[in-house]
Amino acid sequence: KAGVTQTPRYLIKTRGQQVTLSCSPISGHRSVSWYQQTPGQGLQFLFEYFSETQRNKGNFPGRFSGRQFSNSRSEMNVSTLELGDSALYLCASSRLDRGQDTQYFGPGTRLTVL
Amino acid sequence: EDKVVQSPLSLVVHEGDTVTLNCSYEVTNFRSLLWYKQEKKAPTFLFMLTSSGIEKKSGRLSSILDKKELFSILNITATQTGDSAIYLCAVEGGNDMRFGAGTRLTVKP
Repeated sequence: KAGVTQTPRYLIKTRGQQVTLSCSPISGHRSVSWYQQTPGQGLQFLFEYFSETQRNKGNFPGRFSGRQFSNSRSEMNVSTLELGDSALYLCASSRLDRGQDTQYFGPGTRLTVL
Repeated sequence: EDKVVQSPLSLVVHEGDTVTLNCSYEVTNFRSLLWYKQEKKAPTFLFMLTSSGIEKKSGRLSSILDKKELFSILNITATQTGDSAIYLCAVEGGNDMRFGAGTRLTVKP
């Protein structure tokens, strides 16, 4: 079974730009969660989508948004990029709701904002 | 404010030693506590705990949750160099999920 895939793996943007990251979950998984990992703040939860609906949201500004498609693939968008948005963005999928089932992480997208 | 605190932050042991990693939490509307292992890439799921006192075990790793005292421990017996990693604890509560800072475990030959 193929694992969680994320594209692109690396991305360099400049301040003020926007970026869209993509996550394809494991086949059959309906829940996709997004996380931001930085050396300073560690791993932080962004949001979770389940069957195309945002279920939960962490404490991030509105510049961070996402969506999930009918095939469970998810995209995350960050608008008006700031230097502090430089991070590893991880997505994870699970068959059921995030709190009820094992999550499998993708390799991440490393975003650098210059 | 919700928080998850892991201790120790760093630990160096020798192969064959047994280690205990701690995770304490204060989270509103607790749902579950999860342990992950992170090497140089994305975290790998280890355990999900929802009930107090029930030990989860996988090979040399085991974990237990105490919902009364609000903590969990992760035990690794007969450690190997391949156990060297950062071990993350995360707690789900309400709509959010909080991670601890992690414990960096180094196992020396």
